Amino acid sequence: SAVISQKPSRDICQRGTSLTIQCQVDSQVTMMFWYRQQPGQSLTLIATANQGSEATYESGFVIDKFPISRPNLTFSTLTVSNMSPEDSSIYLCSVEFTGNEQFFGPGTRLTVL
Amino acid sequence: EDQVTQSPEALRLQEGESSSLNCSYTVSGLRGLFWYRQDPGKGPEFLFTLYSAGEEKEKERLKATLTKKESFLHITAPKPEDSATYLCAVQASGATNKLIFGTGTLLAVQP
Repeated sequence: SAVISQKPSRDICQRGTSLTIQCQVDSQVTMMFWYRQQPGQSLTLIATANQGSEATYESGFVIDKFPISRPNLTFSTLTVSNMSPEDSSIYLCSVEFTGNEQFFGPGTRLTVL
Repeated sequence: EDQVTQSPEALRLQEGESSSLNCSYTVSGLRGLFWYRQDPGKGPEFLFTLYSAGEEKEKERLKATLTKKESFLHITAPKPEDSATYLCAVQASGATNKLIFGTGTLLAVQP
């Protein structure tokens, strides 16, 4: 496993603004992912963060709304753009080493007013 | 469509009262089934991976089993510190590493 940190841990934002969430891992990983956990719902994959190329987005998620960067093998950012109250959620990054197990960061709890 | 359904939604046990959580799945080729534990305000903590029907894995008071249609998480003689939400997820065969999660079972163990 690895130590995975996220910043910020929580934030309260105004409608129409953007927030960038950071995910840092203490060792190099091949695969990094961003998930959303809405209240009372299951975790849903937003996108796979690819190092050195554009992220791969799941159906229902678009780059203009959730731009992602992955400048190296230990760091990624997710931006939630032009926020609305429906974006209030917990955002989680996960990493995968060899094998199929994914390990999750502590999450960022976002509230949009 | 790949899907995961967990039951019950919530379960309250007395300390020492053993029980099982269910995870039913439909997937177009199973690469792996995963169990996680999630405490309030934290990210999911990895517990087990199961790959094929008949496989079993154990960790302390937890035992996970797998059939072709479902998985069970057996909790033997639970303690209050086992209280958490238990999440099940599947990964389908193919190019994607996407995890498809159920909505979880909220377990409360009372002393």
